[in-house]
Formats: sequence, C-alpha cells, structure tokens
Amino acid sequence: DTEVTQTPKHLVMGMTNKKSLKCEQHMGHRAMYWYKQKAKKPPELMFVYSYEKLSINESVPSRFSPECPNSSLLNLHLHALQPEDSALYLCASSQGLAGDGYTFGSGTRLTVV
Amino acid sequence: DQQVKQNSPSLSVQEGRISILNCDYTNSMFDYFLWYKKYPAEGPTFLISISSIKDKNEDGRFTVFLNKSAKHLSLHIVPSQPGDSAVYFCAAKNSGYALNFGKGTSLLVTP
Repeated sequence: DTEVTQTPKHLVMGMTNKKSLKCEQHMGHRAMYWYKQKAKKPPELMFVYSYEKLSINESVPSRFSPECPNSSLLNLHLHALQPEDSALYLCASSQGLAGDGYTFGSGTRLTVV
Repeated sequence: DQQVKQNSPSLSVQEGRISILNCDYTNSMFDYFLWYKKYPAEGPTFLISISSIKDKNEDGRFTVFLNKSAKHLSLHIVPSQPGDSAVYFCAAKNSGYALNFGKGTSLLVTP
C-alpha cells in the first residue's frame, strides 16, 4: 500500500458545525502532515506529527484541532470555521526527515457556508 | 518570504517536444528537492526528487537537474504528452519536516 487516503473527499459545513477530516496511511511512515491549499496557491503547512506527537503548529487558529490516534491515522477536527477557511486540505506522510516517500493524499475539498 | 520560486506561471509545449520547467531557491540549507504534478481538486502527485549530493536524476521521461551554485533546478519532460498537462510544483526541504513549495507552473501540452 503506497497511498495516503483522505475522507471525505468533499465537505460542506456551516459556521456552527463540528466536523472531522480523516487521513490514513499504511506505509509505516512516522511523520504525518496537514497542509491547506487555496486556489492557485501552493500548499501551506499547518501541522506536523512525528512519531504520533505534534512537533510543528504553524500558528494555526484553534478552530483547527489535529489529533493523531496512532501511527497510521491523522485527524483534523473543525469547529466554528469561517468562510475564508474554505480550501483543499491535504494530508501527507513521509518516512522521516530525509523526505523519502513524501506522499500526499488527494485532499478534502472543504466549503464553509 | 518565498524561498522557492517558479517564475513562469505557465508554459505551452507541442506534443513530442521537450518541456523544461524551472525552479530557483534562496535557502542554501535545502538538501532535498521534489517535483509534484497536480490536477485541479486533487492532491499533488510525486514525480521525481533529487538529493543535494547529486546533480541529475532520471526516471523515464522525467529528468531533474540541480545546479547548487546557481540555486537552480529544472525538470525536463521528454517527449511531452498531452496527459502531462497539469500544474507542476517544485518543493524543497532541509533537515526539518516541512516542504517549501513554489507557486507552480501550469504546463499545457498541445497535440
């Protein structure tokens, strides 16, 4: 298995809703990431988990809450989002620091209404 | 501050010809470089990478060249095919985890 799987593929949520994005990989990668990508922009790093511990938070607002239940799973909990948070949310994983096998999922297209 | 720059937002090439996508970087600590291909509403798909200890890496129709003294790398696609039409992102990293992406170059391969 050489994939990063993200669910759901599309999500529409209201500003008062609570929802979660899920990411799964079975490549034995020990680093997992959340990126946010707006249209016509490059992906921007949000969070990095290394060995199931949060190692980087790129000053992301608290309405985004990551969780790493185990080495294969990464969640992003969403609460009280704003319309400007609408974007493609990408999960990625890598073997470690070297960058080998840095693999992205196909993303969740989030629309906040 | 953009540490990885792709100065050509778009490129159009005829089928069968060579596509050359360029990327410049400013951080001399970057030691690993990657190219990704992206279709709309999909995640980036890894194409090819190169470590800073090399100056060339080849995989089928794709070759990446690295010129460390110029802080420049390029992706060559030969021969170009219509299915290669997509946005190509250059990315770089140092010993940290995060990838630094360029803004992308939209490649159009015409029949």
